[in-house]
Amino acid sequence: GENVEQHPSTLSVQEGDSAVIKCTYSDSASNYFPWYKQELGKRPQLIIDIRSNVGEKKDQRIAVTLNKTAKHFSLHITETQPEDSAVYFCAASMKTGFQKLVFGTGTRLLVSP
Amino acid sequence: GAVVSQHPSRVICKSGTSVKIECRSLDFQATTMFWYRQFPKQSLMLMATSNEGSKATYEQGVEKDKFLINHASLTLSTLTVTSAHPEDSSFYICSARVPGWNYGYTFGSGTRLTVV
Repeated sequence: GENVEQHPSTLSVQEGDSAVIKCTYSDSASNYFPWYKQELGKRPQLIIDIRSNVGEKKDQRIAVTLNKTAKHFSLHITETQPEDSAVYFCAASMKTGFQKLVFGTGTRLLVSP
Repeated sequence: GAVVSQHPSRVICKSGTSVKIECRSLDFQATTMFWYRQFPKQSLMLMATSNEGSKATYEQGVEKDKFLINHASLTLSTLTVTSAHPEDSSFYICSARVPGWNYGYTFGSGTRLTVV
């Protein structure tokens, strides 16, 4: 089955700096890659997603890139703000079968003022 | 739209008792529901996939006799933790893929289970 690895596990940046979180997936059949932000005790919130027919997607300060050949995808946050501090998860799913969503291990981002 | 309502949000139970968690899709039909467990400071681990009208599919290492899943209708899936023990204390959350959302998923609000 699909396995998603995520790095780093923790990331500390100064306000205004950029943050990059990277994920790799194992199953080449995966074709949907969402990123979630999760506050403590809450449900994951979708912040951006990308599909396998696209290499890059941007939404204001957030961007995601996908390298299908290397089976890598990354989240880029520019001009970070303290309110960006949270745990971020990448995930992957396939279009076929049950379309299970498999999560990465998570990154705790801390943005210091 | 595409809301999954999950109840209860918090539950405390005694060891040895059973607890039922419900997830209901409010404005769409969820033929498939995914159940996750999340321990503190860890990721969401997929436990099982429930399908309306058929048996659930459990991930490797998940005891199907302990975590009973029922998906009796297109809008309701339930997870029952049987003979709960303190090590079952965790955050349980359900998710469904929304038809027509082009791969989008929606999540319940989660259930914090504490077994004492």
